[in-house]
Amino acid sequence: TQLLEQSPQFLSIQEGENLTVYCNSSSVFSSLQWYRQEPGEGPVLLVTVVTGGEVKKLKRLTFQFGDARKDSSLHITAAQPGDTGLYLCAGGTYNTDKLIFGTGTRLQVFP
Amino acid sequence: GAVVSQHPSRVICKSGTSVKIECRSLDFQATTMFWYRQFPKQSLMLMATSNEGSKATYEQGVEKDKFLINHASLTLSTLTVTSAHPEDSSFYICSARDRLAGLSYNEQFFGPGTRLTVL
Repeated sequence: TQLLEQSPQFLSIQEGENLTVYCNSSSVFSSLQWYRQEPGEGPVLLVTVVTGGEVKKLKRLTFQFGDARKDSSLHITAAQPGDTGLYLCAGGTYNTDKLIFGTGTRLQVFP
Repeated sequence: GAVVSQHPSRVICKSGTSVKIECRSLDFQATTMFWYRQFPKQSLMLMATSNEGSKATYEQGVEKDKFLINHASLTLSTLTVTSAHPEDSSFYICSARDRLAGLSYNEQFFGPGTRLTVL
C-alpha cells in the first residue's frame, strides 16, 4: 500500500517566519502535486513536479521533488496570514489515474 | 482554465431521503472524475473513480448501492447518496482530470465541495 506521510501535522507560526513541510513515502511516484485547501472549499492545485530533483518556485513558495521521486518538500518564506490552510501533497503513478493523498499539514499563520 | 463546479454547495436533508450532487468540468473535457469524502480536519478519502460511459470503480469499503455514480458525459458526473443517514453527513468533493493531460501529469482539479447534513 502506497502511503504519503506529511510532517508536521500542525504548524502554528507568526507572520514573517519561514517554514518547511515534508511529504515522504517509500514508494516512487511519476508525479507529485501540492494542493492548498481552505475551510469549506475544495483543494486548489499549487504545483506539479515530475522530474527527480526538480525545484519549482511560486512567489514565496518553493517546491522540491526528491532525487528518487519518493519525497517532496514545500518551503514558505516570510509566511503571511493568507498562507493559512491545509496543505496536501499527492502522488501519481503511471499505471493509474488515482492520486495518493498525503496525511495533510494544517498551517496557521498569525498576524 | 481547469474550473470544476459542484452543485449544491450545501444540502440538508431528512434521514431516508436521497441526495444528488453534480460535478461539472466547465472549460475542459474530463476523461475521469473522482469522488472524495473528507472528515473534519482530515485528508481526502477517495470513494470512487468514474469514467465517462462506463461503471464507476469503488474503493474498498464504499457501498456502491449506497453511493450511486453516473458519468453521463465528458463534463458531468453525479453522485447520489441513497437513503441517507446521519452518518453520511460529510464534505463531499469531486475532481476531474483533463482528457488532454499527459499520463505523467496526474493533476486533478477540484470542485468547491458539497456539505451534506442528514438530520
